[in-house]
Amino acid sequence: AQSVTQPDIHITVSEGASLELRCNYSYGATPYLFWYVQSPGQGLQLLLKYFSGDTLVQGIKGFEAEFKRSQSSFNLRKPSVHWSDAAEYFCAVGAPPGTYKYIFGTGTRLKVLA
Amino acid sequence: GAGVSQTPSNKVTEKGKYVELRCDPISGHTALYWYRQSLGQGPEFLIYFQGTGAADDSGLPNDRFFAVRPEGSVSTLKIQRTERGDSAVYLCASSLSPGPGDTQYFGPGTRLTVL
Repeated sequence: AQSVTQPDIHITVSEGASLELRCNYSYGATPYLFWYVQSPGQGLQLLLKYFSGDTLVQGIKGFEAEFKRSQSSFNLRKPSVHWSDAAEYFCAVGAPPGTYKYIFGTGTRLKVLA
Repeated sequence: GAGVSQTPSNKVTEKGKYVELRCDPISGHTALYWYRQSLGQGPEFLIYFQGTGAADDSGLPNDRFFAVRPEGSVSTLKIQRTERGDSAVYLCASSLSPGPGDTQYFGPGTRLTVL
């Protein structure tokens, strides 16, 4: 069965530092992959998605993610974190690909130090 | 409206009671989804509507849960004989059409607390 693992429950970084949030998926074929961000009291907002093609995907708010088939990973990165990036981040896979059902990881809560 | 809206934002009920949670999708979106997010977990799929019909309700945990979308727009998630384990945030999402090619837009959720 498809699954998504986000190994880091909490991450703390200083404002201006770089960020990498890890995501590993389990699926036999190339999946549809997503990163969402959830701020308190807000709905989930899509940051970026990968279906095919260029393995480096650019998203909103300066985020990017890289699909690595050999590592079954889709890590989210940002070169310089802003205090407003503090939120919870969820990686998700469309399972099976081409359908509507998303499987989410358990999330990584990001704290940003001033 | 501008986004997906859900009402109420918070619902506190007693064990055994019946509750209804409402979702207003983005106008024109034909696909609507319900997810449940328990504390410390990611959202879990419950049910998906294409138009008025439930195309997939495989995520509903048991027959106490039911959802409708009678006119293909607003949806209501209904929970009978609520249990403490039903406490969670219930998220609704909509997309222009089904499939990952169309982004699922999420509402802010309804936080359900069963005492």
